[in-house]
Amino acid sequence: QPVLTQPPSASGTPGQRVTLSCSGSDSNIGFATMNWYQQVPGAAPKLLIYRDDQRPSGIPDRFSGSKSGTSASLAIRGLQSEDEADYYCATWDDSLNAWVFGGGTKLTVL
Amino acid sequence: QVQLVQSGGEVRKPGASVKVSCKASNYNFATYGINWVRQAPGQGLEWVGWISPGNGNRNYAQKFQGRLTLTTDTSTTTAHMELRSLTSDDTAVYYCAREGFIVVAGTPQDFHYYFMDVWGKGTTVTVSS
Repeated sequence: QPVLTQPPSASGTPGQRVTLSCSGSDSNIGFATMNWYQQVPGAAPKLLIYRDDQRPSGIPDRFSGSKSGTSASLAIRGLQSEDEADYYCATWDDSLNAWVFGGGTKLTVL
Repeated sequence: QVQLVQSGGEVRKPGASVKVSCKASNYNFATYGINWVRQAPGQGLEWVGWISPGNGNRNYAQKFQGRLTLTTDTSTTTAHMELRSLTSDDTAVYYCAREGFIVVAGTPQDFHYYFMDVWGKGTTVTVSS
Protein backbone atom coordinates (compact mmCIF):
# COMPACT_ATOMS: atom_id res chain seq x y z
CA GLN A 1 0.00 0.00 0.00
CA PRO A 2 1.32 3.46 -0.88
CA VAL A 3 2.50 5.58 2.03
CA LEU A 4 0.71 8.66 0.69
CA THR A 5 -3.04 8.51 0.09
CA GLN A 6 -4.62 9.86 -3.07
CA PRO A 7 -8.15 9.34 -4.37
CA PRO A 8 -7.96 6.86 -7.25
CA SER A 9 -10.00 8.96 -9.64
CA ALA A 10 -11.27 12.47 -10.34
CA SER A 11 -13.03 14.13 -13.23
CA GLY A 12 -14.02 17.48 -14.59
CA THR A 13 -15.29 19.20 -17.70
CA PRO A 14 -13.25 21.49 -19.93
CA GLY A 15 -12.71 24.89 -18.35
CA GLN A 16 -13.50 23.65 -14.87
CA ARG A 17 -11.24 23.80 -11.83
CA VAL A 18 -10.34 20.52 -10.13
CA THR A 19 -8.37 19.82 -6.99
CA LEU A 20 -6.47 16.60 -6.30
CA SER A 21 -5.57 15.71 -2.74
CA CYS A 22 -2.72 13.83 -1.08
CA SER A 23 -2.52 12.95 2.59
CA GLY A 24 0.31 11.57 4.65
CA SER A 25 1.90 11.91 8.06
CA ASP A 26 4.38 13.90 10.12
CA SER A 27 7.30 11.85 8.82
CA ASN A 28 6.65 12.65 5.17
CA ILE A 29 4.36 15.52 4.14
CA GLY A 30 4.74 17.07 7.58
CA PHE A 31 8.52 16.82 7.28
CA ALA A 32 9.48 17.60 3.67
CA THR A 33 8.20 19.54 0.70
CA MET A 34 5.83 18.02 -1.86
CA ASN A 35 6.42 17.27 -5.50
CA TRP A 36 3.77 16.40 -8.07
CA TYR A 37 4.21 14.39 -11.25
CA GLN A 38 1.96 14.03 -14.28
CA GLN A 39 1.98 10.81 -16.30
CA VAL A 40 0.07 10.54 -19.54
CA PRO A 41 -0.64 6.96 -20.70
CA GLY A 42 2.37 5.26 -22.18
CA ALA A 43 4.82 7.99 -21.18
CA ALA A 44 7.28 8.61 -18.38
CA PRO A 45 6.25 10.82 -15.46
CA LYS A 46 6.90 14.54 -15.76
CA LEU A 47 7.66 16.95 -12.94
CA LEU A 48 4.71 19.30 -12.51
CA ILE A 49 5.24 20.98 -9.13
CA TYR A 50 8.22 20.98 -6.78
CA ARG A 51 8.84 22.41 -3.31
CA ASP A 52 5.08 22.46 -2.60
CA ASP A 53 4.08 25.20 -5.03
CA GLN A 54 6.83 25.86 -7.55
CA ARG A 55 6.41 25.20 -11.27
CA PRO A 56 9.32 24.15 -13.47
CA SER A 57 9.78 26.22 -16.58
CA GLY A 58 7.28 25.24 -19.24
CA ILE A 59 4.53 24.21 -16.85
CA PRO A 60 1.49 26.47 -17.33
CA ASP A 61 0.27 28.53 -14.39
CA ARG A 62 -3.05 26.66 -14.61
CA PHE A 63 -1.31 24.18 -12.33
CA SER A 64 -0.75 25.14 -8.70
CA GLY A 65 0.25 23.30 -5.57
CA SER A 66 -0.30 23.90 -1.88
CA LYS A 67 0.43 22.17 1.40
CA SER A 68 -0.89 22.38 4.93
CA GLY A 69 0.25 20.15 7.76
CA THR A 70 0.18 16.55 6.56
CA SER A 71 -1.90 17.17 3.44
CA ALA A 72 -1.16 18.63 0.04
CA SER A 73 -3.22 19.58 -3.00
CA LEU A 74 -2.78 20.07 -6.68
CA ALA A 75 -5.22 22.43 -8.39
CA ILE A 76 -5.80 22.61 -12.10
CA ARG A 77 -7.86 25.50 -13.42
CA GLY A 78 -9.18 25.90 -16.94
CA LEU A 79 -9.17 22.13 -17.40
CA GLN A 80 -8.15 20.97 -20.88
CA SER A 81 -8.46 17.61 -22.59
CA GLU A 82 -4.67 17.27 -22.59
CA ASP A 83 -4.73 17.30 -18.78
CA GLU A 84 -6.21 13.82 -18.80
CA ALA A 85 -3.48 11.80 -17.07
CA ASP A 86 -2.41 10.16 -13.84
CA TYR A 87 -1.14 12.51 -11.13
CA TYR A 88 1.23 11.40 -8.38
CA CYS A 89 2.27 13.19 -5.21
CA ALA A 90 5.72 12.36 -3.83
CA THR A 91 7.88 13.45 -0.96
CA TRP A 92 10.72 12.28 1.28
CA ASP A 93 9.85 10.15 4.29
CA ASP A 94 12.23 10.75 7.16
CA SER A 95 11.25 7.56 9.03
CA LEU A 96 11.62 5.28 6.02
CA ASN A 97 14.63 7.20 4.67
CA ALA A 98 13.02 6.87 1.26
CA TRP A 99 11.09 8.70 -1.42
CA VAL A 100 7.42 7.82 -1.14
CA PHE A 101 4.67 8.19 -3.69
CA GLY A 102 0.91 8.33 -3.55
CA GLY A 103 -1.05 5.69 -5.40
CA GLY A 104 -1.95 8.21 -8.09
CA THR A 105 -5.16 9.91 -9.17
CA LYS A 106 -6.51 9.22 -12.64
CA LEU A 107 -7.98 12.46 -13.95
CA THR A 108 -10.64 12.18 -16.63
CA VAL A 109 -11.73 15.19 -18.66
CA LEU A 110 -15.37 14.60 -19.56
CA GLN B 1 18.82 19.22 -23.91
CA VAL B 2 19.31 17.26 -20.70
CA GLN B 3 18.51 13.66 -21.46
CA LEU B 4 18.46 10.19 -19.92
CA VAL B 5 18.46 7.34 -22.42
CA GLN B 6 17.69 3.88 -21.09
CA SER B 7 18.56 0.47 -22.45
CA GLY B 8 16.03 -1.75 -24.18
CA GLY B 9 13.48 -4.14 -22.72
CA GLU B 10 14.56 -7.37 -21.08
CA VAL B 11 12.94 -10.75 -20.48
CA ARG B 12 14.22 -12.96 -17.68
CA LYS B 13 13.23 -16.19 -16.00
CA PRO B 14 12.45 -16.29 -12.28
CA GLY B 15 15.63 -16.40 -10.22
CA ALA B 16 17.70 -14.61 -12.84
CA SER B 17 19.24 -11.14 -12.74
CA VAL B 18 18.79 -8.09 -14.93
CA LYS B 19 20.94 -5.02 -15.48
CA VAL B 20 19.43 -1.83 -16.87
CA SER B 21 21.47 1.15 -18.02
CA CYS B 22 20.70 4.86 -18.13
CA LYS B 23 22.98 7.18 -20.12
CA ALA B 24 22.95 10.83 -19.14
CA SER B 25 23.85 13.68 -21.46
CA ASN B 26 24.12 17.45 -21.57
CA TYR B 27 24.66 18.15 -17.89
CA ASN B 28 27.33 17.63 -15.22
CA PHE B 29 26.72 13.98 -14.40
CA ALA B 30 28.58 14.09 -11.09
CA THR B 31 26.48 16.91 -9.69
CA TYR B 32 23.08 15.23 -9.65
CA GLY B 33 21.91 12.00 -8.07
CA ILE B 34 20.10 9.33 -10.04
CA ASN B 35 16.93 7.72 -8.73
CA TRP B 36 15.37 4.52 -9.98
CA VAL B 37 11.58 4.20 -9.90
CA ARG B 38 9.49 1.30 -11.12
CA GLN B 39 5.90 0.86 -12.19
CA ALA B 40 4.24 -2.55 -12.32
CA PRO B 41 1.55 -3.05 -14.97
CA GLY B 42 -1.49 -0.94 -14.12
CA GLN B 43 0.05 0.17 -10.84
CA GLY B 44 1.56 3.32 -9.37
CA LEU B 45 5.12 4.51 -8.99
CA GLU B 46 7.50 2.85 -6.53
CA TRP B 47 10.91 4.19 -5.55
CA VAL B 48 13.68 1.62 -5.90
CA GLY B 49 16.85 3.46 -4.90
CA TRP B 50 19.27 6.36 -5.39
CA ILE B 51 22.93 6.79 -6.16
CA SER B 52 25.22 9.78 -6.25
CA PRO B 53 27.57 9.67 -9.25
CA GLY B 54 29.73 12.25 -7.50
CA ASN B 55 30.71 10.23 -4.44
CA GLY B 56 29.12 6.81 -4.93
CA ASN B 57 26.76 7.12 -1.98
CA ARG B 58 23.71 4.88 -2.29
CA ASN B 59 20.34 4.50 -0.66
CA TYR B 60 18.13 1.50 -1.42
CA ALA B 61 14.47 1.03 -0.60
CA GLN B 62 14.15 -1.47 2.22
CA LYS B 63 12.33 -4.07 0.15
CA PHE B 64 15.20 -4.32 -2.36
CA GLN B 65 18.06 -4.52 0.15
CA GLY B 66 20.24 -7.52 -0.58
CA ARG B 67 19.31 -8.01 -4.21
CA LEU B 68 19.76 -4.52 -5.70
CA THR B 69 22.99 -2.89 -6.81
CA LEU B 70 23.19 0.62 -8.24
CA THR B 71 26.38 1.77 -9.90
CA THR B 72 27.58 4.62 -12.06
CA ASP B 73 30.38 5.05 -14.56
CA THR B 74 31.43 8.68 -14.73
CA SER B 75 33.64 8.07 -17.78
CA THR B 76 30.55 7.17 -19.82
CA THR B 77 28.02 9.16 -17.74
CA THR B 78 25.96 6.03 -17.34
CA ALA B 79 24.06 4.69 -14.36
CA HIS B 80 23.23 1.02 -13.95
CA MET B 81 20.65 -0.86 -11.94
CA GLU B 82 21.12 -4.57 -11.30
CA LEU B 83 18.31 -6.53 -9.68
CA ARG B 84 18.86 -10.18 -8.73
CA SER B 85 16.68 -13.13 -7.73
CA LEU B 86 13.87 -11.90 -9.91
CA THR B 87 10.27 -13.00 -9.40
CA SER B 88 7.14 -12.25 -11.38
CA ASP B 89 6.47 -9.38 -8.95
CA ASP B 90 9.49 -7.60 -10.44
CA THR B 91 7.79 -7.32 -13.82
CA ALA B 92 7.57 -3.58 -14.34
CA VAL B 93 8.77 -0.56 -16.25
CA TYR B 94 11.94 0.72 -14.61
CA TYR B 95 12.68 4.44 -14.89
CA CYS B 96 15.83 6.34 -14.09
CA ALA B 97 15.28 9.93 -13.01
CA ARG B 98 17.73 12.74 -12.31
CA GLU B 99 17.49 14.20 -8.84
CA GLY B 100 17.34 17.91 -9.42
CA PHE B 101 17.68 20.36 -6.58
CA ILE B 102 17.55 23.99 -5.62
CA VAL B 103 19.42 25.68 -2.80
CA VAL B 104 17.74 28.39 -0.75
CA ALA B 105 19.92 30.51 1.51
CA GLY B 106 19.04 30.14 5.16
CA THR B 107 20.36 30.58 8.66
CA PRO B 108 22.29 28.87 10.13
CA GLN B 109 22.48 26.71 6.99
CA ASP B 110 21.16 26.66 3.45
CA PHE B 111 18.15 24.53 2.55
CA HIS B 112 18.26 21.96 -0.24
CA TYR B 113 15.05 20.91 -1.98
CA TYR B 114 15.06 17.83 -4.14
CA PHE B 115 12.84 16.51 -6.91
CA MET B 116 13.03 14.19 -9.93
CA ASP B 117 13.22 16.62 -12.82
CA VAL B 118 14.37 14.58 -15.81
CA TRP B 119 13.17 11.06 -16.52
CA GLY B 120 14.24 8.34 -18.91
CA LYS B 121 11.58 6.76 -21.08
CA GLY B 122 11.65 3.55 -19.09
CA THR B 123 12.84 -0.01 -19.57
CA THR B 124 10.35 -2.86 -19.49
CA VAL B 125 11.55 -5.85 -17.51
CA THR B 126 9.43 -8.97 -17.87
CA VAL B 127 9.96 -11.92 -15.56
CA SER B 128 8.30 -15.04 -16.82
CA SER B 129 8.99 -18.74 -16.91
